[in-house]
Parts: sequence; C-alpha cells; structure tokens
Amino acid sequence: QKEVEQNSGPLSVPEGAIASLNCTYSDRVSQSFFWYRQYSGKSPELIMSIYSNGDKEDGRFTAQLNKASQYVSLLIRDSQPSDSATYLCAVDNNAGNMLTFGGGTRLMVKP
Amino acid sequence: DAGVIQSPRHEVTEMGQEVTLRCKPISGHDYLFWYRQTMMRGLELLIYFNNNVPIDDSGMPEDRFSAKMPNASFSTLKIQPSEPRDSAVYFCASSSRGVNAGELFFGEGSRLTVL
Repeated sequence: QKEVEQNSGPLSVPEGAIASLNCTYSDRVSQSFFWYRQYSGKSPELIMSIYSNGDKEDGRFTAQLNKASQYVSLLIRDSQPSDSATYLCAVDNNAGNMLTFGGGTRLMVKP
Repeated sequence: DAGVIQSPRHEVTEMGQEVTLRCKPISGHDYLFWYRQTMMRGLELLIYFNNNVPIDDSGMPEDRFSAKMPNASFSTLKIQPSEPRDSAVYFCASSSRGVNAGELFFGEGSRLTVL
C-alpha cells in the first residue's frame, strides 16, 4: 500500500468552478502536509502547507486537514485555465526531515 | 538569487554507459534531496544529505546508483551501468532546516533516456 494516495484523475472542472483535490496518508505520526503544483514538463513548486487540523486559506486556495481520518484536501475556488496542472500531496516522515509524495492528481480547467 | 541548478537538462545514452547528474543547491540550504519521477511510480526519494552527509539512502534502487556531496555547493548522482528502466526525470531539491520548517526548492530536472 502506498503511503500517500491520490486519485490520478484527470479531474475536469469548468472555469470559475471549485476544484476539490483529495489525499490520504498512512503514517499516523506525520505532522506536516504540503500541496505542490507541477506544470507539464516543469518541476514541482510549493503552493500550500498545513500543520494543524482545520482549514488554511491563501487566496483562492484552501487546504484542509483531518488527522483523525488521515485526510488532506485542497480546494481551488474560481478555477482558472492556468490552474491546469498536476497537484502533488506530500507528507513528512515521522522524523520531519523527508517528504513522501503521492502520485498526483491531474487537474484540467476548461474555459 | 539563483535557484537549484541541475545539469544536464537532457541526457540520452546507451545501456551500459555511465551517467553522472549534477546539482548545485541554493546557497545556505543545508538539506539536499535527489528524487526520481516516472509515470508509473511518481516522485520517489532516492537519497538526501544534511550538511553534506548522506542521511538516508534507502530509496536508492540498487548498487548501480551512487550519490556524493563533496561540499555544500555540489552534489552528483551517478548510475553505472545504466539500464533502460533508469529512464526518468531526476530532480534535485534543497531546503533549509529540513522539510518541517519550510519548502523544498526543486531544480528543473534532468531527463534521462537510456536506450
């Protein structure tokens, strides 16, 4: 069983809609959770980090964490075609110094 | 400030040849990570260094892979001999104070094709 699981997609949403991306993880002691965005042919870049249960908002992005359910999600409001990319969920190890990445969810925002 | 610099960007080689990938981390970053990305397996951590010392190499696939960090500004990942299944994009990333405290900064990657 993979340690970090994501639906590979593609997830297709119309422009202006809310895109909801989900991630589950297996290591209960993980403390830090990250969402990276990767455009085709480019390297991953960090867009959100979250460390405690609840919601964290940054512009059009909201990360949600539920440690009891071992579940992390990313909501993108008012989706734009420029948001079309692969979104990678990443979880730290219990020593807090290395990340395990999920396989990524490909998001397509259609004009 | 320059980001993480990797070379070469693209490498095409034949099975059995030695491949050396290079990375210059961001100045001041004390963690360096080598990742491999494929369609089938996603982004996998191969090895990481802290203050030039290898900390965890459990992700290195086999003895054909080796990595060094002779100083704070340079690291290499070597594959000898290379095989077609090694074809992937290899990313180098650096960070300060480990991932708990901040983000990983990735280089642009080295796309390796082994024929």
